[in-house]
Amino acid sequence: KAGVTQTPRYLIKTRGQQVTLSCSPISGHRSVSWYQQTPGQGLQFLFEYFSETQRNKGNFPGRFSGRQFSNSRSEMNVSTLELGDSALYLCASRGYSDRGENIQYFGAGTRLSVL
Amino acid sequence: LAKTTQPISMDSYEGQEVNITCSHNNIATNDYITWYQQFPSQGPRFIIQGYKTKVTNEVASLFIPADRKSSTLSLPRVSLSDTAVYYCLVGATGGKLIFGQGTELSVKP
Repeated sequence: KAGVTQTPRYLIKTRGQQVTLSCSPISGHRSVSWYQQTPGQGLQFLFEYFSETQRNKGNFPGRFSGRQFSNSRSEMNVSTLELGDSALYLCASRGYSDRGENIQYFGAGTRLSVL
Repeated sequence: LAKTTQPISMDSYEGQEVNITCSHNNIATNDYITWYQQFPSQGPRFIIQGYKTKVTNEVASLFIPADRKSSTLSLPRVSLSDTAVYYCLVGATGGKLIFGQGTELSVKP
């Protein structure tokens, strides 16, 4: 089974621009979550989508938004980029392991640098 | 979601067994305990999950005492490639994971 795929892997933007990141979950997984990781704040939850509906939201400003399509693929958008948005953005899809554990499988992430 | 406390860093040598203990005093009755491993610039990788007593898989063991207020991840015979950050999470069966600061394990030759 293919894992979680995130594109692009690296991105460089300037302040004020907007960016869209993409995530393809593991086939059959309907839940997709997004996280931001920075050296100062660690790993922080952004939001979760399930069957095209946002089910959970973290404590981030409205500049961060997302959506999920009918094939469970998800996109995350950040508008009016700030220097502090430079981070590793991780996507995870949730499902059951071969042992029946309900876990999240993470992609390799998109490294966003805002100049 | 229950808060977790684990050591910020640990050092070990190749071939040794490493035990990382996580404290979760406010764990709820239906919470599971899950451990993830993360290498630099990569997404976290699931290691092991348990509810009570002992769980073992191909890479690790998880020991959970009867009161479930703590848990210990045991890595047998570590190698240099086990150098990573290890996160303990409680109640991590939904779509929202709350990560603490993790334990940075450094394995030396």
